[in-house]
Amino acid sequence: GDSVTQMEGPVTLSEEAFLTINCTYTATGYPSLFWYVQYPGEGLQLLLKATKADDKGSNKGFEATYRKETTSFHLEKGSVQVSDSAVYFCALKEEAGGTSYGKLTFGQGTILTVHP
Amino acid sequence: EAGVAQSPRYKIIEKRQSVAFWCNPISGHATLYWYQQILGQGPKLLIQFQNNGVVDDSQLPKDRFSAERLKGVDSTLKIQPAKLEDSAVYLCASSLYSAGGYTFGSGTRLTVV
Repeated sequence: GDSVTQMEGPVTLSEEAFLTINCTYTATGYPSLFWYVQYPGEGLQLLLKATKADDKGSNKGFEATYRKETTSFHLEKGSVQVSDSAVYFCALKEEAGGTSYGKLTFGQGTILTVHP
Repeated sequence: EAGVAQSPRYKIIEKRQSVAFWCNPISGHATLYWYQQILGQGPKLLIQFQNNGVVDDSQLPKDRFSAERLKGVDSTLKIQPAKLEDSAVYLCASSLYSAGGYTFGSGTRLTVV
């Protein structure tokens, strides 16, 4: 079945440092890929997405590129801020024709803490 | 547009008791999902509805969990009897259709003692 693996965390950085959170996936079809963010005490929010190979999703300075050849969707940001401290989840969703149509499969999450 | 509403926000019960969670999706969203998020893990799908029909409940522990979506609008998830391992955040999400983008509610945090 489908699965998503995120780099083991937590990740602790100083403000303005470069961020990479690795994500790899296994899927039988041609999934869409997502990064969700969960701020303390809040619900899941969509951060960015990519729907096909070589697509780049971006939002709020975060970027991730859909790499079909390496089955990866790594999250990057050039300069993190204290306000980026949150839990980040990589996820995939099979599109039409897949056996799990509509279902989101999540990684285990990576806790990011940014210090001033 | 109003978001996905969930209640209660928090619930503490003793093991073997029963509990129910309520979700009201965004108006017009045909697809509704319930996810379970155990501390330190990513959310896991419990059940997916399309209007008032069940699309996927393969991960729902049917001996103790049940869910319904009467009239294809709001939904209730019930646990009876609860176990310690059911302690988690229960997230409801909705989308216009299965291929559409999700909107998540804030979740219900259940603690079973």
